Amino acid sequence: DIQMTQSPSSLSASVGDRVTLTCRASQSISSYLNWYQQKEGKAPEVLIYAASSLQSGVPSRFSGGGSGTDFTLTISSLQPEDFASYYCQQSYSVPWTFGQGTKVEIK
Amino acid sequence: QVQLQESGPGLVKPSQTLSLTCSVSGGSINIANYYWSWIRKPAGKGLEWIGRIYASGRTNYNPSLKSRVTVSVDTSKNQFSLELGSVTAADTAVYYCAREYYDTRGYHYYYYMDVWGKGTTVTVSS
Repeated sequence: DIQMTQSPSSLSASVGDRVTLTCRASQSISSYLNWYQQKEGKAPEVLIYAASSLQSGVPSRFSGGGSGTDFTLTISSLQPEDFASYYCQQSYSVPWTFGQGTKVEIK
Repeated sequence: QVQLQESGPGLVKPSQTLSLTCSVSGGSINIANYYWSWIRKPAGKGLEWIGRIYASGRTNYNPSLKSRVTVSVDTSKNQFSLELGSVTAADTAVYYCAREYYDTRGYHYYYYMDVWGKGTTVTVSS
């Protein structure tokens, strides 16, 4: 299985901050990388697929980058509704695997 | 707007079989470019993909669970199901069903879960 490692596991930030989350794969996965946001008690929602494609309806302050083994999710200006957990997921080979998540908290 | 809804017992005894159903509304389960998946999240842990099924019945499973898992589809009822046998406390989790879409770009197939159910909590306890 492909192992996905996210960093940091948590971070504190303020509204308006630029935030970058990192995800690393244990082997090259090209651009087969998705990002999800999960709020407490809710189901995850896809933000980014294919490493950098913005899912329809997702605000443009979210952007994804990277390829191979190293990927980023950037929130250009953190909004109150963005405080949540974020998970990366590889779709290069089954079984799909997720990172352990990054929790974005209010400073 | 497609919606998914999980249903099934919230409490299962150890060694028994966990059975959940996901009902799909607002669209057909029998269409191209979509798989139908199960994912779970134990408390305090990350997400774990369990397996998926295509409307034709083709399945993929997580090897870590494969010996205990069966995912099936009933296109006449527009629903798909999960069975997980010989459960233990480690199977206690929130279980989600999700629609898995694939975006094709030449020879590349980019899969991602674009619609999720709200999730259902299953506790394994005697």
